[in-house]
Amino acid sequence: KQEVTQIPAALSVPEGENLVLNCSFTDSAIYNLQWFRQDPGKGLTSLLLIQSSQREQTSGRLNASLDKSSGRSTLYIAASQPGDSATYLCAVLTDSWGKLQFGAGTQVVVTP
Amino acid sequence: EAEVAQSPRYKITEKSQAVAFWCDPISGHATLYWYRQILGQGPELLVQFQDESVVDDSQLPKDRFSAERLKGVDSTLKIQPAELGDSAMYLCASSPRTEPYEQYFGPGTRLTVT
Repeated sequence: KQEVTQIPAALSVPEGENLVLNCSFTDSAIYNLQWFRQDPGKGLTSLLLIQSSQREQTSGRLNASLDKSSGRSTLYIAASQPGDSATYLCAVLTDSWGKLQFGAGTQVVVTP
Repeated sequence: EAEVAQSPRYKITEKSQAVAFWCDPISGHATLYWYRQILGQGPELLVQFQDESVVDDSQLPKDRFSAERLKGVDSTLKIQPAELGDSAMYLCASSPRTEPYEQYFGPGTRLTVT
């Protein structure tokens, strides 16, 4: 059974610092991996999707890497801003039309 | 930009009452998912539809929950009777038939059972 873990559960950084969020999964046979952002009481916003054949994806200040063999993905957010404060969730798709298996998320606070 | 629509956004109900949630996926998306997210946890799948057919409802508490997608477009999730432990965020997502099968989420319905 696929298990997804995100450590740490919470993180607080001063504005301007780079953020590094970790995600690990137990079964390397994944189809893709998605990173989401969730603001309090809101739905999920997709940030980046990495297909199993890819090593990384970039969008603006965000960069996500994927190492399937070690079962790890890392989300980097450069030059953090208070508006980046949210919970970040990673999720893996094991087969193309299946469900996403989520981690519990990392709650990020960026202080001015 | 097309979005997944959900209603209501918030629902407060008393235990033992019936409650229903509605989801309209992105046009053309064949796959529709209902997830439940308990506070502090990641979402977990309740039911998955491919067009109008259920393909995974293994985690759906079928004694009180039901879901339908009659014409393969919008979907309704019902709880009857609601219990205190059903308080959670209910999220709907959809994905297309084509790679990379990215899932797009709606704003969710926050259910509070009193």
